[in-house]
Amino acid sequence: NAGVTQTPKFQVLKTGQSMTLQCAQDMNHNSMYWYRQDPGMGLRLIYYSASEGTTDKGEVPNGYNVSRLNKREFSLRLESAAPSQTSVYFCASSAEGVAGYTFGSGTRLTVV
Amino acid sequence: GESVGLHLPTLSVQEGDNSIINCAYSNSASDYFIWYKQESGKGPQFIIDIRSNMDKRQGQRVTVLLNKTVKHLSLQIAATQPGDSAVYFCAENLGQGNLIFGKGTKLSVKP
Repeated sequence: NAGVTQTPKFQVLKTGQSMTLQCAQDMNHNSMYWYRQDPGMGLRLIYYSASEGTTDKGEVPNGYNVSRLNKREFSLRLESAAPSQTSVYFCASSAEGVAGYTFGSGTRLTVV
Repeated sequence: GESVGLHLPTLSVQEGDNSIINCAYSNSASDYFIWYKQESGKGPQFIIDIRSNMDKRQGQRVTVLLNKTVKHLSLQIAATQPGDSAVYFCAENLGQGNLIFGKGTKLSVKP
């Protein structure tokens, strides 16, 4: 039982490049989330998906797109990376009626 | 308590002592409050939660206290161990995907 799996763990991009961060969960959770974590800022919600086929913006969605491919997978895409998107990205999932989320181990992204 | 600026507040305790980590929240509409532990290089890990209609909840070696009057949440860790060293975040669950995190407190345990 792997929980929430994120790939890649590390990535360096040049400004303007695009990439997709992958996330998969094997707990049959309905809801999935993407957060970014910056020093001194805590975790901030980028996008979330309450169920397969739905996505909604969080606190900081600009510069990102998401796809809820199926119940297991929720990907985050950066179409044109900017240095301001240098951060650690966490994917999470939750079951209905459960307050706590299960987080992946994160993707450390550096944009130069 | 919660951090302001780029540096996390740090709580340093001796191994075996009790630790108390505090958090102030802002939204009275929160359904749940949650404490997470984050070790270096890892994702946040759920510790304990408390519903808004409760004022105390106990887990294994941890107790969460909620004071809605002053919008204050605390996490007490009994007999703190070196493995408890991490950053601790409080979070408010407002429902519908809205989990708002505080900025974190770093707990350092001295052997």
